[in-house]
Amino acid sequence: DVKVTQSSRYLVKRTGEKVFLECVQDMDHENMFWYRQDPGLGLRLIYFSYDVKMKEKGDIPEGYSVSREKKERFSLILESASTNQTSMYLCASSLSQFMDTDTQYFGPGTRLTVL
Amino acid sequence: ELKVEQNPLFLSMQEGKNYTIYCNYSTTSDRLYWYRQDPGKSLESLFVLLSNGAVKQEGRLMASLDTKARLSTLHITAAVHDLSATYFCAVDVIGNDMRFGAGTRLTVKP
Repeated sequence: DVKVTQSSRYLVKRTGEKVFLECVQDMDHENMFWYRQDPGLGLRLIYFSYDVKMKEKGDIPEGYSVSREKKERFSLILESASTNQTSMYLCASSLSQFMDTDTQYFGPGTRLTVL
Repeated sequence: ELKVEQNPLFLSMQEGKNYTIYCNYSTTSDRLYWYRQDPGKSLESLFVLLSNGAVKQEGRLMASLDTKARLSTLHITAAVHDLSATYFCAVDVIGNDMRFGAGTRLTVKP
């Protein structure tokens, strides 16, 4: 079974703090993704990565950065947290962009509150 | 920019009834996914639809894809309480980069 884990289920931070959200997958997947989920908006893609040290912007990258130093780990960084970044953050992974039947496997999510 | 629209966003059903959730998308794609999310939980993959006319069924759920109409449907047959969840469709953009609909929150009442 694919397992995607995220470092925290709940996180409370103050405005201006630097925040790190960590995601680890254990199935040697090439692709990793970060989404935020807000009521009524579904999931919106922040950043994704097809390979180590590689990153691509999604639809809403502003205020975020990412790091992928190892294949299994994909970190989301909020350089200076703001209240409008309060959200549920979901990490996902998939085997390869070249697999027709591939689906994304999601972690349990991190609910971040910025005060 | 790809837009993915689901409707309805909220659906309250009686047990035993049938209903359909619709997913429209705005650009050409031949890969569509359906996910389920239970409250407080993460997303679980339900179906992957890969071509025009694709139909997949699992239990009381059946998903179909019409790529020409850019439409997918998730049909619920004889709903039961255990199907209460939020259902998302997602459309493949490039490679495995997906865009999600807003989700349909389904409540099945006894």
